[in-house]
Amino acid sequence: SQKIEQNSEALNIQEGKTATLTCNYTNYSPAYLQWYRQDPGRGPVFLLLIRENEKEKRKERLKVTFDTTLKQSLFHITASQPADSATYLCALVNDYKLSFGAGTTVTVRA
Amino acid sequence: NAGVTQTPKFRVLKTGQSMTLLCAQDMNHEYMYWYRQDPGMGLRLIHYSVGEGTTAKGEVPDGYNVSRLKKQNFLLGLESAAPSQTSVYFCASRLGLAVNTDTQYFGPGTRLTVL
Repeated sequence: SQKIEQNSEALNIQEGKTATLTCNYTNYSPAYLQWYRQDPGRGPVFLLLIRENEKEKRKERLKVTFDTTLKQSLFHITASQPADSATYLCALVNDYKLSFGAGTTVTVRA
Repeated sequence: NAGVTQTPKFRVLKTGQSMTLLCAQDMNHEYMYWYRQDPGMGLRLIHYSVGEGTTAKGEVPDGYNVSRLKKQNFLLGLESAAPSQTSVYFCASRLGLAVNTDTQYFGPGTRLTVL
């Protein structure tokens, strides 16, 4: 069966450090992968998309890698700030639909 | 643009009652989706629509029905609510299938409790 697994543990990090989140998938062959941010009580918001032929994508302090051999994407938040505290979701394209992981909650301490 | 809006924001139902959740988008998007989100389980797709007048089942469709009579609206119905349907419901829309139009835009959610 198809599975998308993200870090099951919440991530607590010190301000200024880099947070690294993992998204592993099985039985998918996605053409691309997306990352979303979700704040408490709100809907997810799109952050980044990375295609299967792209190894790395950056947007400001965010960096995403995509390894189709390992079936894994890594999401990095560099120079983290308390405002980065949220839940981050990875999503894979599946026909007309996106399939989401359960998310990883990041808390950045000042 | 208001983006994606959902009505109502909160609702409490008794077992067996029915209700309709309304999703509206003003971005002229073709595709619309209903998800439910439960702790530790992520977003699960209930039903979706690839255009006006079309609907299709997602991962967890049982106990729900949908309609897309107008392009901008997508309705989710619960005919006979059960406690297992207590959840947060999100609607999303998407312009198209091409990679540069694939971003899903989510509404603020409806928190539903079934007693």
